[in-house]
Amino acid sequence: SQTIHQWPATLVQPVGSPLSLECTVEGTSNPNLYWYRQAAGRGLQLLFYSVGIGQISSEVPQNLSASRPQDRQFILSSKKLLLSDSGFYLCAWSVAATDTQYFGPGTRLTVL
Amino acid sequence: AQSVTQLGSHVSVSEGALVLLRCNYSSSVPPYLFWYVQYPNQGLQLLLKYTTGATLVKGINGFEAEFKKSETSFHLTKPSAHMSDAAEYFCAVSDKWGGTSYGKLTFGQGTILTVHP
Repeated sequence: SQTIHQWPATLVQPVGSPLSLECTVEGTSNPNLYWYRQAAGRGLQLLFYSVGIGQISSEVPQNLSASRPQDRQFILSSKKLLLSDSGFYLCAWSVAATDTQYFGPGTRLTVL
Repeated sequence: AQSVTQLGSHVSVSEGALVLLRCNYSSSVPPYLFWYVQYPNQGLQLLLKYTTGATLVKGINGFEAEFKKSETSFHLTKPSAHMSDAAEYFCAVSDKWGGTSYGKLTFGQGTILTVHP
């Protein structure tokens, strides 16, 4: 069966520090991968999605970037965190050509 | 472009009462519709989905939803609420696979369900 992992589970970082969040999927090949942010009172916002290695599409301009160095690995990064980057970050995957997305456990990021 | 409106950011019911969470969507093509549930500090879990076929969809934990094209609605119901149903619920819409959509989901703002004993 397929599983999705995210780490770390929680993170507290100072403003201006770098960020790296990792997401990996097991049990499937060539998944579509997604990064979402959930901020208080703002629902789920799609940040990035990827349909293959090295293929990243950004949904909103922001302080963050994403990379997909391997088929089942998706990384969310920032060079300098802002207070507004705080939130709950969710990674999701779907089988190509389907629409059902399966979510990871999330990373709670607090920027102080 | 798709959009989703969830009526009521908070819904409160008594244990054993009917649960009704409302979702209306807007889509330029026949939609795929989803309901997800999120427990505190956890990821989203798929409850049920509608793609094609039967308009009444049954999901996990006794939930079901009915796709009504004429009303552009996909309301979530459960006949009898349980304390363990307390969570946040998200309705989502996806345009069909193909073109440049890549199966992206548009989520509603969420409805927090509280269940009182």
